[in-house]
Amino acid sequence: SQKIEQNSEALNIQEGKTATLTCNYTNYSPAYLQWYRQDPGRGPVFLLLIRENEKEKRKERLKVTFDTTLKQSLFHITASQPADSATYLCALSNTNAGKSTFGDGTTLTVKP
Amino acid sequence: GAVVSQHPSRVICKSGTSVKIECRSLDFQATTMFWYRQFPKKSLMLMATSNEGSKATYEQGVEKDKFLINHASLTLSTLTVTSAHPEDSSFYICSARDGTHTTNEKLFFGSGTQLSVL
Repeated sequence: SQKIEQNSEALNIQEGKTATLTCNYTNYSPAYLQWYRQDPGRGPVFLLLIRENEKEKRKERLKVTFDTTLKQSLFHITASQPADSATYLCALSNTNAGKSTFGDGTTLTVKP
Repeated sequence: GAVVSQHPSRVICKSGTSVKIECRSLDFQATTMFWYRQFPKKSLMLMATSNEGSKATYEQGVEKDKFLINHASLTLSTLTVTSAHPEDSSFYICSARDGTHTTNEKLFFGSGTQLSVL
C-alpha cells in the first residue's frame, strides 16, 4: 500500500543551525512533491513544490531535494530562527493537479 | 497571494444537530476544492474532492449522507456535518486550487474549523 513517512515526529535544533527534515515514500510514482508549513490551529501554507524531473529547488533559506530512486525528499532550513518553529508536512501527488496525500508531519522547534 | 476564507473557526454544538462550514476563495476561481479532517498530531485525511457544479467525490470510508458537500459556485464550497455526534469532533480544513492558472498544483488552505460536539 502507499505510504509516506516523515523522519520523526519532533525535531529540536539551536537557532542558526540548519534543520533537515525527511520525507520517504513507498508505492508511489509522484508527479511532484510539495512541502507545507502548518502552525497550531491553522491551515497549512504552501512553501515549495518540486517535480519528478527536478533534483533541487531553493527559495530564500529553504531548499528541497527530490531523489526518485531513493524515494526520498529532504527539506532544509538554513540559518534557522525561532519563528521557523512549526509543523512541516510533505505531500505527494501522482498526477498533475490531482489530489495530494500528506505525511504526518515533523514538528520543528528552534531554540534561541 | 490567493486567499481562502473558512468559517466558522470554531463551533460547539449539541449531539444530533447539523453544522455547516463554509470555504470561500476570495480572489480566485476555485474549480476544485478539497475537504480534510485532521486529528491532533496527525496528518490531513482527505474526505472528499469538490468540483464546481458537480457532485463531490468521496474517499473510501467517508459517509456521503453524513458529510454533505455543496460546491455551487466557483468561489464557495460548503461542508455540512449532519446529525453530529461526539466522534465527529475534529479539525476540518478546506483547500482550493486556482483554476485560472495552468500550473495549479499549489493548494491554498483555509484556516480550519475546530468542531466540538457535546
